[in-house]
Formats: sequence, structure tokens, C-alpha cells
Amino acid sequence: DTVLTQSPALAVSLGQRVTISCRASKSVSTYMHWYQQKSGQQPKLLIYSASNLESGVPSRFSGSGSGTDFTLTIDPVEADDIANYYCQQSNELPLTFGSGTKLEIK
Amino acid sequence: EVQLVETGGGLVQPGRSLKLSCVASGFTFNNYWMSWTRQAPGKGLEWVASITNSGGSTYYPDSVKGRFTISRDNAQNTLYLQMNSLRSEDTATYYCTRGSYVFAYWGQGTLVTVSS
Repeated sequence: DTVLTQSPALAVSLGQRVTISCRASKSVSTYMHWYQQKSGQQPKLLIYSASNLESGVPSRFSGSGSGTDFTLTIDPVEADDIANYYCQQSNELPLTFGSGTKLEIK
Repeated sequence: EVQLVETGGGLVQPGRSLKLSCVASGFTFNNYWMSWTRQAPGKGLEWVASITNSGGSTYYPDSVKGRFTISRDNAQNTLYLQMNSLRSEDTATYYCTRGSYVFAYWGQGTLVTVSS
């Protein structure tokens, strides 16, 4: 199985830029996707195929990477961005998710 | 507007069965693969099952293979998850999701608690 590793938490100041990383245990090409999950809500797709912004998602969000190293960038961070962020690979079955990164405000 | 509404969750004893349903609306159901994804309390996300748009093929991770069965009724716009031989580690919120390998739409989830 492809294991996805994320940092557990990040603290950032409002208005600043933050990058959330996801490392895959083997190459997933660009078959990496990012989700945001706010407390008590279902996940929401932000970025698909590494760098494509899902319709309706603010342009403050962007994604990059290929192979094993991927990043989700939020610039600038707003208070509404406080959430857990998950990466997910679809290069091979089983589909796997990272353990999530909790974004906190300093 | 795409809507996915899950029902069928609840408290069930270990070893017993439960069947979840998801009614879809706002899109042409039989054009899309559908999937189930779950989230244990306070934990991350885990893919559980996927089914092709015709229902002809299904896919599972090893953690549920042989115990869970995904199916669909395209005439009723409904997705199902039959869960047998339930274990405590199956306790989670189960989400119905539209898509095969990336999930653009999610239901609100239904909580399954496996406990004696």
C-alpha cells in the first residue's frame, strides 16, 4: 500500500502563507488530491491531480508536486481556513489518505 | 445541486450486520462510479469500497474485503453498503462519495457504532 505522511499540525498567522506537505512512500505521479475538513463537517475537495483547483475553491489555495513530494499552499491564510487537511492518492489501489494536518492560528 | 443522503447507521453488536443506504440526487446517477469512505471518531479518512457506474465491478481494501459488499440500484438512484461480521474497529462515520478515485461530492455521513 502507498503510505502518505503528513505533519500532524501547523500554526500560522492570519494573512501569512502556509505550505502543507504530503510525502508518498512510492511515486504516485500526479495522482494526488487534497481535501479540507472543518470540525463536524464532511471533507471538501480542494485540489485534484496535484495542481488543479476544484470549481468554487478560492484561488488562495494551490497545489504542486509530482512523484513522492506534494504541497498544498494557502496564501493568504484566512480565519475560515482553520481545518484539517488531508492528501489522498489514486495512483493505485487501495486508495489511501494521509493522516491529516491540523491548521491552527498563532 | 448534487445531494447524497446516507441512512442506516446505528449501534450494532460485534459480529452482527448492518446495511447503509445513500440516496443520490442532482445528477445522472448511472453515469458515475460511487464509493464509501469512513472516518473513525477523531481519526483520519479510510476508503472502504467503490463500484462502477453499471455495478459490474467492485473494489475494496483488504480491511473490509469479504465482509463488506457495495451495490447500487440505478433505477432508485441508491447506493448501498452491506456490512457483515462487524468489528469494533469498524466504528466510524460512513460517507457516501461520488467518484471513482477522487471524491468531489460527499454526503453528511452516518455513524456506525459497533459495541456490545
